[in-house]
Amino acid sequence: GAGVSQSPSNKVTEKGKDVELRCDPISGHTALYWYRQSLGQGLEFLIYFQGNSAPDKSGLPSDRFSAERTGGSVSTLTIQRTQQEDSAVYLCASSLNPTEQFFGPGTRLTVL
Amino acid sequence: GEDVEQSLFLSVREGDSSVINCTYTDSSSTYLYWYKQEPGAGLQLLTYIFSNMDMKQDQRLTVLLNKKDKHLSLRIADTQTGDSAIYFCAALATTSGTYKYIFGTGTRLKVLA
Repeated sequence: GAGVSQSPSNKVTEKGKDVELRCDPISGHTALYWYRQSLGQGLEFLIYFQGNSAPDKSGLPSDRFSAERTGGSVSTLTIQRTQQEDSAVYLCASSLNPTEQFFGPGTRLTVL
Repeated sequence: GEDVEQSLFLSVREGDSSVINCTYTDSSSTYLYWYKQEPGAGLQLLTYIFSNMDMKQDQRLTVLLNKKDKHLSLRIADTQTGDSAIYFCAALATTSGTYKYIFGTGTRLKVLA
């Protein structure tokens, strides 16, 4: 596709359930980032994939959060045993070089 | 670690200039960026500046970089109601070939008609 896509666009779940959020980066982009944007806050870095290197997971807030990137393309962010404080917009971005990151539209997660 | 700070709100009248300010802490940041986020949308890159530049102009946008003070600003000339959005400043931190972007909290620009 022409840009970064994310699915679903909205996800409502109950506290304690697991959720999976998907990101399709721009074809050929070697770097993929996940961020979290909570209401009224800036972007919080979560995890970064670069080519075949080990991902930088330093931003993951707890061990309930994990992410995979299969075949250097699609990425899935998984949140286990969701809590209400996990409610946020989860943004994915991809890049080929450091001069530009392309963002997807985000997934709005609501934990009831 | 790297920190990027911005004021939270700015309100201007249509037709006036807007100036959004940002400070960062990592003097080794090579690229600095401005992104725009409209309601319900992802972030859109507006412009970026390389650290060896002082100024960059692109149509109504002017970016000024004071590397000594680690201060970045975005000036929007002739601000329009369509410019109402959240503007994020970001700095690129590089470590051993990895690229991590550090974002500010965003400045919400409100343009009054």
